[in-house]
Amino acid sequence: DADVTQTPRNRITKTGKRIMLECSQTKGHDRMYWYRQDPGLGLRLIYYSFDVKDINKGEISDGYSVSRQAQAKFSLSLESAIPNQTALYFCATSEAGTSGIYEQFFGPGTRLTVL
Amino acid sequence: GDSVTQMEGPVTLSEEAFLTINCTYTATGYPSLFWYVQYPGEGLQLLLKATKADDKGSNKGFEATYRKETTSFHLEKGSVQVSDSAVYFCALSNAGGTSYGKLTFGQGTILTVHP
Repeated sequence: DADVTQTPRNRITKTGKRIMLECSQTKGHDRMYWYRQDPGLGLRLIYYSFDVKDINKGEISDGYSVSRQAQAKFSLSLESAIPNQTALYFCATSEAGTSGIYEQFFGPGTRLTVL
Repeated sequence: GDSVTQMEGPVTLSEEAFLTINCTYTATGYPSLFWYVQYPGEGLQLLLKATKADDKGSNKGFEATYRKETTSFHLEKGSVQVSDSAVYFCALSNAGGTSYGKLTFGQGTILTVHP
């Protein structure tokens, strides 16, 4: 079984709809992240959480919100989806630490299309 | 803030050709450097990493050396295979800068290898 899972894998929705993307992990990591991937732009960080009580905005948080329901679960919501939120979304996890060596483990991604 | 710049793509090579994908970074202090690979339809996975100057990361025939004097971490492989076709991302994590606990990614380089 995959260590980091994302649901759904694909989603088509309409402008104005509320959408939730879910992420679960079995790696026991404290840190979780949400990224979006757009062609030519690499991955951009939306939100991240260093533990259940810690939520931080990333570089492109506008239009998104998150919920860390448990150590293993981190959900991303689009309150009112718009077409320029069409992208590939990735969840990732990492261990906590102060070494600076923050290898992240990625889920398979959710392809979201907003019409 | 911290940033990563990768060479423009896409890169198209014939099987057994030599590969170089350039990556340079801007960061304060001593970041850790990573190369991630994304195969078609999958999430990102760590290819190799280096945590201090002059370290060489290697995996699956790929190598990259952490060059602090040129702030570079170029990816190389002596003989590519069709199965190496993927998107390659350079990234950094920096305990002392704006990338603390996070990864800052380059824009990705698409590699296509033809038989």
